[in-house]
Amino acid sequence: QKEVEQDPGPLSVPEGAIVSLNCTYSNSAFQYFMWYRQYSRKGPELLMYTYSSGNKEDGRFTAQVDKSSKYISLFIRDSQPSDSATYLCAMTQGAQKLVFGQGTRLTINP
Amino acid sequence: NAGVTQTPKFRILKIGQSMTLQCTQDMNHNYMYWYRQDPGMGLKLIYYSVGAGITDKGEVPNGYNVSRSTTEDFPLRLELAAPSQTSVYFCASIYEGATSYNEQFFGPGTRLTVL
Repeated sequence: QKEVEQDPGPLSVPEGAIVSLNCTYSNSAFQYFMWYRQYSRKGPELLMYTYSSGNKEDGRFTAQVDKSSKYISLFIRDSQPSDSATYLCAMTQGAQKLVFGQGTRLTINP
Repeated sequence: NAGVTQTPKFRILKIGQSMTLQCTQDMNHNYMYWYRQDPGMGLKLIYYSVGAGITDKGEVPNGYNVSRSTTEDFPLRLELAAPSQTSVYFCASIYEGATSYNEQFFGPGTRLTVL
């Protein structure tokens, strides 16, 4: 079993739709949970991170962590074509070593 | 600040050749990392370093070597290139010194093809 599982998609939605991206994990020692956005042929950029269970909001983006279910989500409201990218969930324990999900390729159609 | 820089951007190697991927950061970060990303996959940790002179293996270290003689530089060495090492390689760095989370900054990547 992989430590972090993420549906690779691809996911294609119309502009303005609400997007839900999800990851499950098996290691209960993970402490920090991140979402990275990666545009084609670029390095990953941190979008959001959370530490505890609950919701964290930043503009159109909401990150949700449920440690009891080992499940994290990223919601994108009012999605824009510029949101088209690959979204990677990542988690860490100790020495900030990141364990990544497979990544979900998202396309927002105008 | 230039952030995390990587050279070269692209490289094609023949099986059995060797090369060094360069990574430099100018943010005075103490922790540095090397990841590889295969097509359609997430990133996997190859090696990491928590300071000059200290390195440790990640999830997929076989076929690679690293060194950290300065805070700024963290080169990755491929000794005998194999087709399985065809991938995009990302270097990252972070300042780790507190209990709270600190963002890991990534370089632009090196695309390596082994034929």
